[in-house]
Amino acid sequence: DQQVKQNSPSLSVQEGRISILNCDYTNSMFDYFLWYKKYPAEGPTFLISISSIKDKNEDGRFTVFLNKSAKHLSLHIVPSQPGDSAVYFCAATYSGTYKYIFGTGTRLKVLA
Amino acid sequence: DAGITQSPRYKITETGRQVTLMCHQTWSHSYMFWYRQDLGHGLRLIYYSAAADITDKGEVPDGYVVSRSKTENFPLTLESATRSQTSVYFCATGQGRNQPQHFGDGTRLSIL
Repeated sequence: DQQVKQNSPSLSVQEGRISILNCDYTNSMFDYFLWYKKYPAEGPTFLISISSIKDKNEDGRFTVFLNKSAKHLSLHIVPSQPGDSAVYFCAATYSGTYKYIFGTGTRLKVLA
Repeated sequence: DAGITQSPRYKITETGRQVTLMCHQTWSHSYMFWYRQDLGHGLRLIYYSAAADITDKGEVPDGYVVSRSKTENFPLTLESATRSQTSVYFCATGQGRNQPQHFGDGTRLSIL
């Protein structure tokens, strides 16, 4: 049972435009969500996170939105740059555990 | 300061062999994790550790053994390797709940 789902395996966006990556979850106990970026032959690197008490968190070009009623979060990258081309994973966790549940990833390609 | 070091980076072995993947951290983070990354599955937790001598199972622990005699090391052993364990393995560390985990660069393991 996939508790965290990224239904789009890949996404292509023109440089300078907005990239929107989506993530859905099924477990209503999740209360902390993260996005990681992964380049080939490297480990995932933390990008941005959001607590369930918020619906938006912003860090430079990256904004994460959380819609708890829809059990949906999204990552917006504005403006997109070629260096943003990578695989993006969303992850979730909840009180009482230190374990993260990861989605399957979305490969973003930003075209110059 | 390397942070997290995984070794080896690449390993080829045969079915039935025992193989140990090493993970070393210099941050003194309490928590350490082992994940495997497979196409279509994202990152799945194998085992994790909250402190020295405290370990617990993740989503996919079968066929793996871990130990943590020292805070900075968290080796993962495949006691009798199978082809289904061909994967990329990532070690991660964390400071606690609602704190991002930090990943090593991974070990690509092929079992023939």
